[in-house]
Amino acid sequence: DTEVTQTPKHLVMGMTNKKSLKCEQHMGHRAMYWYKQKAKKPPELMFVYSYEKLSINESVPSRFSPECPNSSLLNLHLHALQPEDSALYLCASSQDSQGDSGNTIYFGEGSWLTVV
Amino acid sequence: AQSVTQLGSHVSVSEGALVLLRCNYSSSVPPYLFWYVQYPNQGLQLLLKYTSAATLVKGINGFEAEFKKSETSFHLTKPSAHMSDAAEYFCAVSEKGNNRLAFGKGNQVVVIP
Repeated sequence: DTEVTQTPKHLVMGMTNKKSLKCEQHMGHRAMYWYKQKAKKPPELMFVYSYEKLSINESVPSRFSPECPNSSLLNLHLHALQPEDSALYLCASSQDSQGDSGNTIYFGEGSWLTVV
Repeated sequence: AQSVTQLGSHVSVSEGALVLLRCNYSSSVPPYLFWYVQYPNQGLQLLLKYTSAATLVKGINGFEAEFKKSETSFHLTKPSAHMSDAAEYFCAVSEKGNNRLAFGKGNQVVVIP
């Protein structure tokens, strides 16, 4: 069972809606990630938070806005999305983001987003 | 930059037969290597990882992988396939000082009864 919890599991939203995806981990990890995965493709990194600060933004459009309220929580705020943004959004966490000891990245079950 | 190559997007294997998924990596420094499995409509689950300890790594569900530096490979094997092994398998690499995972394209494993 994953220890990274994501809600909601499914979300359908219109192109003018504002919604949020939520992620929580209780493993004491200090790095948290958002990935986007399209069907039959590997996950693509979107954002990395390290010690509650945004450390990597992979040139993601501003209609996606991440937020890290504390070390256990990670949100992804969605606004004015396009149908091509429909995908599985995966949250993940690891001990830290430096990878000095081969830190494993643990993934949640994902949130299925459909933009109509 | 690090990268991995997984050949053959679809792999069919008979139930009870050997499962072999190939992964070759490219890295300028000693790599950390991972295999993840993704069952239908689920997230990614770690199968096993190599982090410079033993070169033969045992994972969950009877899977294992061997790190071969000379071949820059980290192939995944399981002696006897189960129907429950039907899933997508991703090989991934990261480097010390950088937890940015580079994924391969994945292998869709189909188990034939």
